[in-house]
Amino acid sequence: QDHLVRSGVEVKRPGASVKVSCKVPGHTFANSAVSWARQAPGQGLEWMGWITPYNGNTNYARHLRDRLTLTADMSMELRSLTSDDTAFYFCARKSLTNSYFDPWGQGTLVIVSS
Amino acid sequence: SYELTQPPSLSVAPGQTANIPCGGHRIGGRSVHWYQQRPGQAPVLVVYDDTDRPSGIPDRFSATNSANTATLTISRVEVGDEADYYCQVWDAIDDHYVFGPGTKVTVL
Repeated sequence: QDHLVRSGVEVKRPGASVKVSCKVPGHTFANSAVSWARQAPGQGLEWMGWITPYNGNTNYARHLRDRLTLTADMSMELRSLTSDDTAFYFCARKSLTNSYFDPWGQGTLVIVSS
Repeated sequence: SYELTQPPSLSVAPGQTANIPCGGHRIGGRSVHWYQQRPGQAPVLVVYDDTDRPSGIPDRFSATNSANTATLTISRVEVGDEADYYCQVWDAIDDHYVFGPGTKVTVL
């Protein structure tokens, strides 16, 4: 089964920014989108947005649109962090013609704490 | 925005059948996808497009979708099936993707 690679743990202060990379050894996203979702500790999954790396098209969840940037190098940047942003951040592949996510990365834990 | 509902938890004995519902307004008209997330792991797609299974997913996992409820069924439940299960749809009006709140399946 294809597995994306996690990026580890990031600890950030409130108000700071975090950039998380989605690494896929031996895999191309040329004909796919990279989607991002997050999961606060003990909570459910929350879709954040997607990007098609080949042309840079993006689609952001409305409530994150002002703070989130997805880039064609398969990175996710979230700005103006608060404690509510403490979560595991996952990337996942989404085909251009389907609406499901497969496979998923192992996730990066982002902790926002003063 | 479109919303999905799932019961928070469900308990099932080994060898029995677990039926995990996912409710939504006229969800039968949407494609529903299901994910399994074991503790400390990333989600794994177990059913897509209402009823299809990715390669490697055992046929003990099946699903239906009709009217206002989609259902993931796990037959002959095993201890290894203990996990959180999430349904997911695409909201065409907002062009957003929606997850259900998840159901924690405990194998007694």
